[in-house]
Amino acid sequence: GESVGLHLPTLSVQEGDNSIINCAYSNSASDYFIWYKQESGKGPQFIIDIRSNMDKRQGQRVTVLLNKTVKHLSLQIAATQPGDSAVYFCAENNYGQNFVFGPGTRLSVLP
Amino acid sequence: KAGVTQTPRYLIKTRGQQVTLSCSPISGHRSVSWYQQTPGQGLQFLFEYFSETQRNKGNFPGRFSGRQFSNSRSEMNVSTLELGDSALYLCASSLVGSGLTDTQYFGPGTRLTVL
Repeated sequence: GESVGLHLPTLSVQEGDNSIINCAYSNSASDYFIWYKQESGKGPQFIIDIRSNMDKRQGQRVTVLLNKTVKHLSLQIAATQPGDSAVYFCAENNYGQNFVFGPGTRLSVLP
Repeated sequence: KAGVTQTPRYLIKTRGQQVTLSCSPISGHRSVSWYQQTPGQGLQFLFEYFSETQRNKGNFPGRFSGRQFSNSRSEMNVSTLELGDSALYLCASSLVGSGLTDTQYFGPGTRLTVL
């Protein structure tokens, strides 16, 4: 499949461990954030979102944490599985503007 | 409910040619955004259409244009292709798009190769 990013930061985790993927966003006025997963040859897939009036949101096996003080977003994946191997992007949106995407992190799950 | 569809999936063109890519959003979604994805630059916003009007535009030259039809389907056009236009072009749809906290859903993309 196509390479999404040849020189992305890579996080390698053992299958079954928890993963934490970090993202520093740029605009302190951003009020909505999304995490996407992109597998080789596919478009980004929505994972979870969070609004700026929250600091934590949980989904199935995933948790997003938002720290507005330091403009930091993280995605936690519990019990990481081989199918979680992909590139993960955070995206921020400022009311009335378009989404801005981070550079992405490649997650590699080791057997 | 069917997802976002893009056609064609793969395209090979030569420098100087022009190309048109198509995107059909999720049924009921009225906002369509286009992105260019390259290994070097990542995901970059091209433009967004809502109700047949361009509502937001990224920092791309005028060779990149788009339009939206009354059924919310959208096309983007790139004229006078350059080698650097080789990329994965992604379309994303949402209910009403920018201005509200509205989730975007992506299509599989069109892989454009310019020779």
